[in-house]
Formats: sequence, structure tokens, C-alpha cells
Amino acid sequence: QKEVEQNSGPLSVPEGAIASLNCTYSDRGSQSFFWYRQYSGKSPELIMSIYSNGDKEDGRFTAQLNKASQYVSLLIRDSQPSDSATYLCAPGGDASKIIFGSGTRLSIRP
Amino acid sequence: DVKVTQSSRYLVKRTGEKVFLECVQDMDHENMFWYRQDPGLGLRLIYFSYDVKMKEKGDIPEGYSVSREKKERFSLILESASTNQTSMYLCASRVLQGGRWGYTFGSGTRLTVV
Repeated sequence: QKEVEQNSGPLSVPEGAIASLNCTYSDRGSQSFFWYRQYSGKSPELIMSIYSNGDKEDGRFTAQLNKASQYVSLLIRDSQPSDSATYLCAPGGDASKIIFGSGTRLSIRP
Repeated sequence: DVKVTQSSRYLVKRTGEKVFLECVQDMDHENMFWYRQDPGLGLRLIYFSYDVKMKEKGDIPEGYSVSREKKERFSLILESASTNQTSMYLCASRVLQGGRWGYTFGSGTRLTVV
């Protein structure tokens, strides 16, 4: 089993709809969870971090964490064409490296 | 803002060459990382460093070595480049801020080995 599982996509969502990105992880000791966005040919940029069970909202983005189920998700409301990118899930240990999922490619269609 | 600078955006090297990829960060971060990114495989950790002269192997260290002589600079070395090392290489640094880790990536070096 991979340490981090993401559906590679592409996930196609109409403009203005909600995009839902999912991630499962195997390390029960993970305490920090990050979502990175990566545009084609660019480096990843951090868009959300979550540390506690439940929801965390930041503008159009909501991260949801369920540690018991080892599941973290990212919701993007009112999807825009500029949201088209690959989204990387990254559960992180506290003092060591973080492991990245292979990413979900999201495409917002006008 | 923290800046992580990778010296080259694109590199083309020949098989068997010794290749140096340089990464510099400007915020006195202790932790630095080298990843490679390949289609379908995501980001894989090659090496990381907690401090000057300290290094730890990541998941795929074979064929690579690193050097951290100064805190701001973390170099990735391909001892004898091979075609299967053609990839995008990403450097990152990390700092503990308010009890939370923050990662910043460099812009990446796309290496082609011919």
C-alpha cells in the first residue's frame, strides 16, 4: 500500500461548481496535513494546511480531516479556470520529512 | 517571504558526467530537501538535511549524493549521470513557525541526460 493515495484524475469540473479532491494516507502518526497546488511546469505552492479533525476554511478552499479514517480532502467552491492544476496531498510528520501523493489533476471547464 | 533559489532552470548533460544541482535559501532554515518529480510517480524524496554537514537518505538516494557545507546551500550531486535520472528536481526548505512547519519550494531544475 502506498503511503499516500490520490486519484490521479483528470477530474473535470464545470466552472462555478464544487471540486472535491480526496486523499488517504497510511501513517497513523501523521499530525500535519498539507495541500499543495502545482501548475504545469511550476513548483508546488502551499495552499492549505490542517492539523485537527474537522473542517478548515480559507476563502473558496475548505480542507477536511478525519484522522480515524486516515482521510483528508480539499473542496474548492465556485471553481475557476485558474484552479486548473495538479493538487498534491502531503501528510507530514513533525520532525521529519513529508511524503507527497502523486497528485490529482483538476481541470475546470468553462 | 522566504526565497529558495535553484541555480539552473534547465540543464542538459551527457551520460557519465558528474552533475551539480545547487539550491540556496535566504532565511537561515535548518531543514532542506531534494525531491525529484516524474509523471505518475509524484514527488519522491532523494535526500534531506537537518543542519550543516548533516544529511539523511530519502526514499531514492541511489546514484545521488549531497553536500551541506553552509546552512544556506544544499547541493545535489549526480556522481555519474544516467538517462534514468532525467527528471524535474525540486529543492525545498522548511522552518518551524508558530509550532507549525512551513515548506517553500524552489522553481525547479529540469535535467535531461542524453
